[in-house]
Amino acid sequence: AQSVTQLDSQVPVFEEAPVELRCNYSSSVSVYLFWYVQYPNQGLQLLLKYLSGSTLVESINGFEAEFNKSQTSFHLRKPSVHISDTAEYFCAVSDGGSYIPTFGRGTSLIVHP
Amino acid sequence: DAGVTQSPTHLIKTRGQQVTLRCSPKSGHDTVSWYQQALGQGPQFIFQYYEEEERQRGNFPDRFSGHQFPNYSSELNVNALLLGDSALYLCASSSTGAPGNTIYFGEGSWLTVV
Repeated sequence: AQSVTQLDSQVPVFEEAPVELRCNYSSSVSVYLFWYVQYPNQGLQLLLKYLSGSTLVESINGFEAEFNKSQTSFHLRKPSVHISDTAEYFCAVSDGGSYIPTFGRGTSLIVHP
Repeated sequence: DAGVTQSPTHLIKTRGQQVTLRCSPKSGHDTVSWYQQALGQGPQFIFQYYEEEERQRGNFPDRFSGHQFPNYSSELNVNALLLGDSALYLCASSSTGAPGNTIYFGEGSWLTVV
């Protein structure tokens, strides 16, 4: 069985500051890793994903995440956040067999002016 | 290209009633999954449909049932509603065989049970 732990339920940060949202997973097999973002009263949108290859993956809006197999982590980072980044962020993991992602409980990113 | 669409967006039901939620997958997708997201929680997997059959099921009681139609659209039915069924119900679609089988979510259906 696989599981995801998002270590911070809420991360407050000032605009233009860097941010890191932490995600650790457990799985007995090779994994696919995802970050989804959920804006208020909306569904989830895929932010970025790791399937294979380079362990550093990037999104089009400046976020990046690095797959660290030895630490079983997939932390999300952004060097400079904007007010519009305020949202709920979910880390998810799936194995190559089931393709059913398991989600963490989410981290609320709150960007203050 | 239309994404995943769900209906209705909001509804209120009384305890003990039954509800049906509908989902049309993203164009080109043949697999539909349903998730329940309670307030302040991450999505919990209910079940997945492929080729009109339930392929996998999460830890949800039999009150939760579904259906997939030949055009790949899907319905989620919940019988004998409980107050605890109040949540955002998310439909997600994917294409079997695609790398990582990335899923795409709809906007969700907000269900309130009173």
